[in-house]
Amino acid sequence: NAGVMQNPRHLVRRRGQEARLRCSPMKGHSHVYWYRQLPEEGLKFMVYLQKENIIDESGMPKERFSAEFPKEGPSILRIQQVVRGDSAAYFCASSPLRPSGRTTRQETQYFGPGTRLLVL
Amino acid sequence: DAKTTQPPSMDCAEGRAANLPCNHSTISGNEYVYWYRQIHSQGPQYIIHGLKNNETNEMASLIITEDRKSSTLILPHATLRDTAVYYCIVRVASNYGQNFVFGPGTRLSVLP
Repeated sequence: NAGVMQNPRHLVRRRGQEARLRCSPMKGHSHVYWYRQLPEEGLKFMVYLQKENIIDESGMPKERFSAEFPKEGPSILRIQQVVRGDSAAYFCASSPLRPSGRTTRQETQYFGPGTRLLVL
Repeated sequence: DAKTTQPPSMDCAEGRAANLPCNHSTISGNEYVYWYRQIHSQGPQYIIHGLKNNETNEMASLIITEDRKSSTLILPHATLRDTAVYYCIVRVASNYGQNFVFGPGTRLSVLP
């Protein structure tokens, strides 16, 4: 069972270009989370998605950033008009679909290897 | 989610047990304690989690105090590959997925 996959692993962009980061969750997982880690800092939550729905985007910058998780295909984090401050490691995590009828339970998140974005 | 407090760094001799403490004095009754680690900028790796009972798996043991205000992650025989930043996170159970809030963690150095 393959783990969470992210591509590209490294991405270099010039200021003003667009960056697209992809995340394929683990098989059977339908919850996807994106986190950002600036150099020498901890991970910060950005957005939580289920298939075709954004559930929580409270950590997402209001401008230039968007995320989607279509019915088919990977989740995509899109950064428009990148600036140097966007240089960071972006991690995706996934967790399984919550069974119907269950009330509360803990869902462990499994992280991908990350995409390192460098903006020149 | 409750705030956690961890020492910024610790050393441990190779082959010895590494005991990583975490304080979460404001934890609520429905909040779980999770441990992750991050080895040199790789993606965070899940280690273990628990509610109130001690837990053990192939990687580590988690000891939670009776009042649940603190916990200890134990790596029974630390190796050089266990050198990493270890994150203690408390997280509420929910019908909906919920993000983890990562603090600065403890940087564990396993020394030969």
